[in-house]
Amino acid sequence: GENVEQHPSTLSVQEGDSAVIKCTYSDSASNYFPWYKQELGKRPQLIIDIRSNVGEKKDQRIAVTLNKTAKHFSLHITETQPEDSAVYFCAASINSGNTPLVFGKGTRLSVIA
Amino acid sequence: DTGVSQDPRHKITKRGQNVTFRCDPISEHNRLYWYRQTLGQGPEFLTYFQNEAQLEKSRLLSDRFSAERPKGSFSTLEIQRTEQGDSAMYLCASIRDSSYEQYFGPGTRLTVT
Repeated sequence: GENVEQHPSTLSVQEGDSAVIKCTYSDSASNYFPWYKQELGKRPQLIIDIRSNVGEKKDQRIAVTLNKTAKHFSLHITETQPEDSAVYFCAASINSGNTPLVFGKGTRLSVIA
Repeated sequence: DTGVSQDPRHKITKRGQNVTFRCDPISEHNRLYWYRQTLGQGPEFLTYFQNEAQLEKSRLLSDRFSAERPKGSFSTLEIQRTEQGDSAMYLCASIRDSSYEQYFGPGTRLTVT
């Protein structure tokens, strides 16, 4: 089955700097890669996603890149703000969101003001 | 509130007791997923439904776990003879067929003493 590895497990950045979180997946059939943000005690919320027919997607300060050949994808957050502090999870699935998501273990991002 | 709701939000039970959780998905969403999340980990898939049909169960779902979605609307997850290892956050998510984003509920935090 699918396995998703996520690095780093913790990341601290100064406010205004960029943050990059990387994930690799094992199943070449995976075609949908969402990123969820989870604040303490709250539900995971989708912040951006990418499908396998696209190499990059951007939404304001957040971007995701996908390398299908290498089976890895990354989240990029620019101009970080204290409210970006949270745990971020990458995930993969083989049939868009209609099959179970396989999540990475998460990255705890701390943005230091 | 038109989001995914879960009840109860917190449950403390003694080892050996049975517990039941409820999830109400977004009304037009016909797929419903159960995930379990332990501290410091990403959500792990347990089982999912398309309408009232249970399509897949994870190996994580032991015989003590059972889930239902009798009318294709709300779902229940029952754990019999709870063990301390069952302590976790149980998350429900829903999605409409042919969509991508799984919407998560706030979760039920189970503590087995």
